[in-house]
Amino acid sequence: DTGVSQDPRHKITKRGQNVTFRCDPISEHNRLYWYRQTLGQGPEFLTYFQNEAQLEKSRLLSDRFSAERPKGSFSTLEIQRTEQGDSAMYLCASSLVASGRGSYNEQFFGPGTRLTVL
Amino acid sequence: AQKITQTQPGMFVQEKEAVTLDCTYDTSDPSYGLFWYKQPSSGEMIFLIYQGSYDQQNATEGRYSLNFQKARKSANLVISASQLGDSAMYFCAMREGPSNSGYALNFGKGTSLLVTP
Repeated sequence: DTGVSQDPRHKITKRGQNVTFRCDPISEHNRLYWYRQTLGQGPEFLTYFQNEAQLEKSRLLSDRFSAERPKGSFSTLEIQRTEQGDSAMYLCASSLVASGRGSYNEQFFGPGTRLTVL
Repeated sequence: AQKITQTQPGMFVQEKEAVTLDCTYDTSDPSYGLFWYKQPSSGEMIFLIYQGSYDQQNATEGRYSLNFQKARKSANLVISASQLGDSAMYFCAMREGPSNSGYALNFGKGTSLLVTP
């Protein structure tokens, strides 16, 4: 499979629980992005990695949100002490930023993880 | 700050007809990129077309074309010969600069397109 994959596709949890989502990007892609999409809105950027380095995390919604990409391949997004307002679709995207293509940066999205917090 | 505006919450088009989905943007960056994505009910975002701010010609990809009017800051998507499978949400997005978010995308609220037989 050459696309971006995300696991799980759906997650139902109770308020206060921790949840972790996984994203596997396209294998040769060096950038990985996380977005959140709430009902009736477009995706909202959260954070991104260049290889294993997390270069922007100020847009994470609160200190309950954290992300890792330990070996520059797959990434995880964790939400601690979930709240009902965290219910949303969490999308992962990857891209290859190389010389001469950085300004284009077509991002390939995964199918998303839909989180429901009860 | 960048802003993307899609003023059409929903659109209808008859099969085989053309449809235009509106997108206006606001940015102070001289260099930017504009994207259109399709999101069917399955949830995956599918890349359709890209227009760079310095591109001289309007982008085209098969049945998709982008009507880029730089002075008016608009980047409307035109879908020709609509098909039933085109029914989906359509999002206009702008690439942010590299200095802050590594070319992350800033999305509009989307337009829901329904193609009728």
